[in-house]
Amino acid sequence: GEQVEQLPSILRVQEGSSASINCTYENSASNYFPWYKQEPGENPKLIIDIRSNMERKQTQGLIVLLDKKAKRFSLHITDTQPGDSAMYFCAARAKAGAKLTFGGGTRLTVRP
Amino acid sequence: AQTIHQWPVAEIKAVGSPLSLGCTIKGKSSPNLYWYWQATGGTLQQLFYSITVGQVESVVQLNLSASRPKDDQFILSTEKLLLSHSGFYLCAWTSSAETLYFGSGTRLTVL
Repeated sequence: GEQVEQLPSILRVQEGSSASINCTYENSASNYFPWYKQEPGENPKLIIDIRSNMERKQTQGLIVLLDKKAKRFSLHITDTQPGDSAMYFCAARAKAGAKLTFGGGTRLTVRP
Repeated sequence: AQTIHQWPVAEIKAVGSPLSLGCTIKGKSSPNLYWYWQATGGTLQQLFYSITVGQVESVVQLNLSASRPKDDQFILSTEKLLLSHSGFYLCAWTSSAETLYFGSGTRLTVL
């Protein structure tokens, strides 16, 4: 199986600053790492993902880094806005068809 | 485009009563379908998955069962609800690229 640890569980930042969330995984065979954003009362929505053949991916103010040696991946939100306030979940999967294991979640609050 | 529909949107049920939650996906043939559960403020826990009609695998036992009666339908049920069943139930499917997409969810409150 897989275990994913996500830190911090609570993150408060000032609008315009950056926010970083870190996840570690156990299974060195894991090759797919998505990030989901969940707003209150809503379903989780995929915001960015990275596969093991990449070390960095960037889209629309989001940067994902993957360090396979350290079995660690991270999400960086640049120039945060109040609309970025939500729960964020990282996840990891060992192979196609295997279970996607989620981290415990990070509640991000962006203060105006 | 694929669409996933879950019903009901919310349920308030008594302990010991039965439950049936449904999920239908349109626009994709033979989808892999999943049921996830999320406690309030908690993480996402996979309960069941199904790769074809009539075939369901259990991931976590929570006194729940699931069935896949049609290619586009996934049902979650129990005959006797427990207080611990309260939470947010999410149906999900994976694309050909193995990306997981969630339905809008059913909020269940057991009293």
